[in-house]
Amino acid sequence: QKEVEQNSGPLSVPEGAIASLNCTYSDRGSQSFFWYRQYSGKSPELIMFIYSNGDKEDGRFTAQLNKASQYVSLLIRDSQPSDSATYLCAAALNTGFQKLVFGTGTRLLVSP
Amino acid sequence: DVKVTQSSRYLVKRTGEKVFLECVQDMDHENMFWYRQDPGLGLRLIYFSYDVKMKEKGDIPEGYSVSREKKERFSLILESASTNQTSMYLCASGRAHEQYFGPGTRLTVT
Repeated sequence: QKEVEQNSGPLSVPEGAIASLNCTYSDRGSQSFFWYRQYSGKSPELIMFIYSNGDKEDGRFTAQLNKASQYVSLLIRDSQPSDSATYLCAAALNTGFQKLVFGTGTRLLVSP
Repeated sequence: DVKVTQSSRYLVKRTGEKVFLECVQDMDHENMFWYRQDPGLGLRLIYFSYDVKMKEKGDIPEGYSVSREKKERFSLILESASTNQTSMYLCASGRAHEQYFGPGTRLTVT
């Protein structure tokens, strides 16, 4: 069973701090990785995707990928209470054109 | 903006009923997906479709079927609803690896 694993949290950080969310995956053939944000009672929305080793920045968000360690992370700088949500990591398997495997998500709480 | 709509936000059905969940997208996406989301289990793929009249089983297809007669519409069918199908059902559409989700249907089977 190909898996994507995340710590369920909650991860609690104060407003203005950096939140670091982590994800590991088991299938070495996974080619691309996605971070979705899901507010309570809402559907997931795509924040970022990353295909290559290294860092990818978009505003306050940075995705990091290390394929050798099978590790993906999402950093949120200057965390705001509005960032409080569950963050889902997903991997696209090399065998499927678009089939994603999702982790169970990490709940982030940003306190004012 | 991508818009994915689902026919109902909340649905209550009885055990043994046939249930239809409808999903419509307005972005001309080839690919559409049905997931269910349960606490502690995350998002699990039920079925997906990459073209009209095409369908592929996901990770948990048992007890479900799908229909895609038009590009913009993807239906999930519970042939005979059971209590273990009580869940949040999410439809998604997309191209390449990006998927956009609908608002979800919370189905309760009693």
